[in-house]
Formats: sequence, structure tokens, C-alpha cells
Amino acid sequence: IAGITQAPTSQILAAGRRMTLRCTQDMRHNAMYWYRQDLGLGLRLIHYSNTAGTTGKGEVPDGYSVSRANTDDFPLTLASAVPSQTSVYFCASSETAEETQYFGPGTRLLVL
Amino acid sequence: GQNIDQPTEMTATEGAIVQINCTYQTSGFNGLFWYQQHAGEAPTFLSYNVLDGLEEKGRFSSFLSRSKGYSYLLLKELQMKDSASYLCAPLDSNYQLIWGAGTKLIIKP
Repeated sequence: IAGITQAPTSQILAAGRRMTLRCTQDMRHNAMYWYRQDLGLGLRLIHYSNTAGTTGKGEVPDGYSVSRANTDDFPLTLASAVPSQTSVYFCASSETAEETQYFGPGTRLLVL
Repeated sequence: GQNIDQPTEMTATEGAIVQINCTYQTSGFNGLFWYQQHAGEAPTFLSYNVLDGLEEKGRFSSFLSRSKGYSYLLLKELQMKDSASYLCAPLDSNYQLIWGAGTKLIIKP
């Protein structure tokens, strides 16, 4: 079934630890995105990639890094987790930057 | 700056009609999306407007006025499963979606 998968579904992480959130899509979409969603706030863009091999910074990139080695995968890495990174993380993809974005199921991350 | 305004919460009755308004200010404009998000789930696409006017899709319709920076989502024949948050998201000049906090819609029997 075509779509976007994210792993893990949820995670509890000690502050200072390194963590990679995985995102894979099988729709051959060119553009991919990472958002965080916190209670009472809108989705905030962390990083994006308009095509394989390129990445860009969104609204809240500090403390996060991404890579886009191929079309399907777009991992998000927290180099040294802090409690303020506790959030729900959504990966999304779209055929091109101006097309509809489709979201993965999300990863719920708790940093203690 | 870029800004989205939507009511925080609305309540409606099953079977009725509800209109969720959205005003926006963005750097450039390349269309506006509406998404539905049930509690604990990911946003799902509902509609897209790029020209002024009404787009109808089953029980859901979306309207856009670019000159007024205004859109609304109209939900007809409300069902209990329509209880969710509705997110208005214009696409700016950099082709990035600008998200508001969304409108939580509560449907009562």
C-alpha cells in the first residue's frame, strides 16, 4: 500500500542522547518535510527537501539535522536531545513543492 | 510577518451545517489547503483552492477570496465523525505551508 511510514511510533529518550527518526515514502514524491506539532500550536516546519540530494531549513531547525540520500528516505536526527524537543513529529511528502502534502502517522517523542 | 487566524473551537449539532473561517497574511500566495486532523492522528488533506470561488467536494466545500485574504470551510450534514481539528494552511511564495493552530470542531448529538 502506497504511503508514508515513520519509525518509531513513540520513544522516551534521555536528555543528551542522539536519536534518528525515520521516514520512508513509496510514492516517488520529490519533496519531503519534517514538522513538529506541540499542543496549542500549529505545525512548524523543521527541515525540508525539494528533491533528493538537497535540503533546506524551515522555521525551527536548531538542534535537528536531515539528509536526503535518495528519493524514498528522509531521516531526522536529534544530535543531543533536550526536553524542549518533546513533541509529535510528522513527516510529509508531496509530488512537488506546490502540490498536496501527505503525512505519515507521526512519532511521539518524550525527552526527559 | 505571516499569520493565520481561525477560531480556536466551535460546537455544532449533528446533521447541521458549520462554517469555519480563516484569514491569512502571507509573503506571496500559491493557494490554500484545508486539512482535517483527528485527535492523536496525522493531518489528512481535504481541499485546495488557488482561484477565487467555491470548490465543492461532497459534504465539504471550501471558498477563497484572495483579495480579502479569506477562506472558509463549509461542512454540511454533520456527522459525529466530523469531530476533529480543521487546519487552514496557505502556501507562501517559497512554496511552504503556513499553519495556524487549527479549529477544534465539537459535534453534539
